[in-house]
Amino acid sequence: NAGVMQNPRHLVRRRGQEARLRCSPMKGHSHVYWYRQLPEEGLKFMVYLQKENIIDESGMPKERFSAEFPKEGPSILRIQQVVRGDSAAYFCASSPQGSNEKLFFGSGTQLSVL
Amino acid sequence: SQQGEEDPQALSIQEGENATMNCSYKTSINNLQWYRQNSGRGLVHLILIRSNEREKHSGRLRVTLDTSKKSSSLLITASRAADTASYFCALPPNGANNLFFGTGTRLTVIP
Repeated sequence: NAGVMQNPRHLVRRRGQEARLRCSPMKGHSHVYWYRQLPEEGLKFMVYLQKENIIDESGMPKERFSAEFPKEGPSILRIQQVVRGDSAAYFCASSPQGSNEKLFFGSGTQLSVL
Repeated sequence: SQQGEEDPQALSIQEGENATMNCSYKTSINNLQWYRQNSGRGLVHLILIRSNEREKHSGRLRVTLDTSKKSSSLLITASRAADTASYFCALPPNGANNLFFGTGTRLTVIP
């Protein structure tokens, strides 16, 4: 049973480009969480999604950031017109049926904006 | 703030010693969780303690929860070099299925 898969592992973008981060949850999990982590800091909640629904996006910047979790396929975190301040590690986690009692994390995508 | 705050921020101990880290929070919770993060990796769930529990054990881990003081502690006994990692407490807000993480304690166990 594969764990949470995130790709790419590393992503380099120039300022103004778009970044697309993908997350495939564990088999049977229908809820996905995205977090951002700056060096030497904790995880900051961004968005919580169920298939085809955004449950809570209170942690996501209003501009340039969007997330989706379609009926088929992985969850996508999209960052448009990236800036240097977007450089961070982005982690995805999944849980079964919306239970927040144990999240399973992917290995993260390290985004570097040049 | 819905997240917890860990204390200390960093802790360095010798192998074999015990490591204690604390988490304080401000909101009402129905459970509190601890996670470990090895450098450059995702978080791994360690243990969950419910609001009606005071203490819980899992192997070399011991977690306590004091809801009156809004604090929890994680004790790692007989530490090993492999325990070197960052440790985070995580809080689910009441009535929601989200999870907020604290700032973390960076533990270094010296062989």
